[in-house]
Amino acid sequence: AQKVTQAQTEISVVEKEDVTLDCVYETRDTTYYLFWYKQPPSGELVFLIRRNSFDEQNEISGRYSWNFQKSTSSFNFTITASQVVDSAVYFCALSEEEYGNKLVFGAGTILRVKS
Amino acid sequence: DSGVTQTPKHLITATGQRVTLRCSPRSGDLSVYWYQQSLDQGLQFLIQYYNGEERAKGNILERFSAQQFPDLHSELNLSSLELGDSALYFCASSGPTGGEQETQYFGPGTRLLVL
Repeated sequence: AQKVTQAQTEISVVEKEDVTLDCVYETRDTTYYLFWYKQPPSGELVFLIRRNSFDEQNEISGRYSWNFQKSTSSFNFTITASQVVDSAVYFCALSEEEYGNKLVFGAGTILRVKS
Repeated sequence: DSGVTQTPKHLITATGQRVTLRCSPRSGDLSVYWYQQSLDQGLQFLIQYYNGEERAKGNILERFSAQQFPDLHSELNLSSLELGDSALYFCASSGPTGGEQETQYFGPGTRLLVL
């Protein structure tokens, strides 16, 4: 069964601190895709990154970086030098080849960045 | 702006009523997905259409139905509404294959309140 766990319900940091959002997934499939989406207070869901199961290379995009480790079934997201505008709910999601393009989302992590 | 449009943005209605939510995918995308976001269930996949045909079904209630039209826009119909149907309904699109390797881009959502 597909499952995505984001154990951190809420995180509060002060501006310029680094913060890591955890994501652990379960899958029986060998081909799968992992995603991160951001939901700011305005409510829309913004795509951040997609990673396939065959590519364990970590990725950096500006202040954002992602660490994918198949050995621990984790796909963690780090924001460096956080800013108030990073305040949002962040969702990790999984799609498996067996289940088509259905996204299974984690419960989300609320990130509050204080100035 | 993801390029996916949804109307209306907000909808307030009464129990027992029927509503229609509308979605236009990004230009060139053939797949449309519907998701429901509620406080108790989180983000849940409802249904996927690809080029006019139903491709995958999730936890969609029998009172709910959807379709995708020849111009690729989609409508989600919710009938015999209950208080528990109050939620944020997202549409997403991807293309051109509708497969698990494609990224889904989400619209701004329709916030439904059933009184």
